Amino acid sequence: EIVLTQSPGTLSLSPGERATLSCRASQSVSSSYLAWYQQKPGQAPRLLIYGASSRATGIPDRFSGSGSGTDFTLTISRLEPEDFAVYYCQQYGSSVFGQGTKLEIK
Amino acid sequence: EVQLVESGGGLVKPGGSLRLSCAASGFAFTNAWMSWVRQVPGKGLEWVGRIKSKADGGTTDYAAPVKGRFTISRDDSKNTLYLQMNSLKTEDTAVYYCTAQSAYHLKYWGQGTLVTVSS
Repeated sequence: EIVLTQSPGTLSLSPGERATLSCRASQSVSSSYLAWYQQKPGQAPRLLIYGASSRATGIPDRFSGSGSGTDFTLTISRLEPEDFAVYYCQQYGSSVFGQGTKLEIK
Repeated sequence: EVQLVESGGGLVKPGGSLRLSCAASGFAFTNAWMSWVRQVPGKGLEWVGRIKSKADGGTTDYAAPVKGRFTISRDDSKNTLYLQMNSLKTEDTAVYYCTAQSAYHLKYWGQGTLVTVSS
């Protein structure tokens, strides 16, 4: 079974800064199968990135995804106040989620 | 506008049963593969299971912790997804989300319904 490990567990940054979130798979996965979700407190998750690098409808271009094989990255170029949330990666094939990265205001 | 509205959550005793429903609108439900994802309050996301569209066979897949106890079904005439949960355990306590799949990702999510398994 594929395991997805996200790092860091918590990331403390200020608005305007750049955020880099990592998702590492225990074995190589297809980029087509890698997605990122954002979840704010009290809300359902929402799709941000699919196919490792494609933005979902309505997602601002400050969000970008990259990576291949076992290493994937979600980058937020300039943090806005509404970006502070928990982020999950997911690998479709085994339907597994990473444990999440909490992005908090410094 | 896409809407997924879950219902049926509540408090149930260990060993009991509960059926969740998810009413879908705003997209082609008949063609969609649908999944349930759950989340223990304060914890991460866990995929529960999936049902394919009838055109793709209508088959189901389940996560190991729920296999044999949970059953996913769909009524395309009502645009409704179901999750029948039997032999419930305390560790099944979670918010259950209904999701609609697009290609290889979960494109649409409902707001979730809380299931509490406790004596």
